[in-house]
Amino acid sequence: QVTLRESGPALVKPTQTLTLTCTFSGFSLSTSGMCVSWIRQPPGKALEWLALIDWDDDKYYSTSLKTRLTISKDTSKNQVVLTMTNMDPVDTATYYCARIWCSSWYIDYWGQGTLVTVSS
Amino acid sequence: QSALTQPRSVSGSPGQSVTISCTGTSSDVGGYNYVSWYQQHPGKAPKLMIYDVSKRPSGVPDRFSGSKSGNTASLTISGLQAEDEADYYCCSYAGSYTFHVVFGGGTKLTVL
Repeated sequence: QVTLRESGPALVKPTQTLTLTCTFSGFSLSTSGMCVSWIRQPPGKALEWLALIDWDDDKYYSTSLKTRLTISKDTSKNQVVLTMTNMDPVDTATYYCARIWCSSWYIDYWGQGTLVTVSS
Repeated sequence: QSALTQPRSVSGSPGQSVTISCTGTSSDVGGYNYVSWYQQHPGKAPKLMIYDVSKRPSGVPDRFSGSKSGNTASLTISGLQAEDEADYYCCSYAGSYTFHVVFGGGTKLTVL
């Protein structure tokens, strides 16, 4: 059974760095074709792709946010970590981690999401 | 990268069919057969409904179907049911020289 769970602070202050951890089970990120991604959704708005890491440790970032994002994985712990620097109130959103089959670029499993509010 | 274009809202009565369009460019929707569709109920995580343009995951009713023509993909829901009321998002691979995937802006489906 595949599960993903996001964890991290619910509230961060402007200019701070956000660190989110995705802990997953039921699959291995070292399997060829397997990827994990972070996606966010501001309240009442659309989904936005943030970052992706693949089984070969290649990393890809949203062009508009790439200077602020870092994605990494710890295969032994079944975790993927996202850091986002210089947080702003517009970054308030539900942040999801998700499993992707990079052979066909679709998400078959999502975490439940974690709401991050940016406010002083 | 620009989001794929979807209608803000569509509606239909129970039993009817509705189609949601998703328009991109030759660099995403038109260039690859890697279009997927997601259903999202309020407060819930999205759920995969269609992948590879027209394939249905196990457990998704065959009332849901997908297609593509040129730079526009479509999701058709036939025999509308009350539980189909949700937000729907399309998603496409956008190639290895840009950020790899892009979402549509979402469509609110209302079952009248």
